[in-house]
Amino acid sequence: KQEVTQIPAALSVPEGENLVLNCSFTDSAIYNLQWFRQDPGKGLTSLLLIQSSQREQTSGRLNASLDKSSGRSTLYIAASQPGDSATYLCAVIPGYNKLIFGAGTRLAVHP
Amino acid sequence: GAVVSQHPSWVICKSGTSVKIECRSLDFQATTMFWYRQFPKQSLMLMATSNEGSKATYEQGVEKDKFLINHASLTLSTLTVTSAHPEDSSFYICSASGGVTYEQYFGPGTRLTVT
Repeated sequence: KQEVTQIPAALSVPEGENLVLNCSFTDSAIYNLQWFRQDPGKGLTSLLLIQSSQREQTSGRLNASLDKSSGRSTLYIAASQPGDSATYLCAVIPGYNKLIFGAGTRLAVHP
Repeated sequence: GAVVSQHPSWVICKSGTSVKIECRSLDFQATTMFWYRQFPKQSLMLMATSNEGSKATYEQGVEKDKFLINHASLTLSTLTVTSAHPEDSSFYICSASGGVTYEQYFGPGTRLTVT
């Protein structure tokens, strides 16, 4: 059974720091991996989707890497801002259409 | 593009009543829709997957007679929580998929509180 773990569970940092959020999964046979952002009481916003044949994706200050063989993905946030405060969810896609989520990392960036 | 809406955004109901939540894909045809629930400070758990015109496929442990899912058109799926109880209080999120990449697009969620 595929399990997704995110570390740390919570993170509080001052503005401007570069951050690393970790995601690990137990079964390396995945189709894609996706990172989402969730603001309190809201739905999910897709940040980056990495296909299994790719090793990383970048969007603005965000960079996500994928190492399928070791079952790990990392989300790197450069020059963090208070507006980045949210919960970040990692999800693996083991096959057609199905998403399996980690518990998330709750990020607080303070001025 | 790829906008998914949910209605209502929040609902309070009394124990024993039924509640219907709608999920709509506004600018694309969703061949598949998904329903998730999320408890406070926990992650999303997939409840069921529905394909347009077919019966929903429920995840293990989800009562199909309690959580009725209908996907009658390519833009609308509904989740009905029947005979709701306080333990059904949760955040329900739908997603829709219909593109070539099978990427899921998420709705804003519905907060259900059963008193």
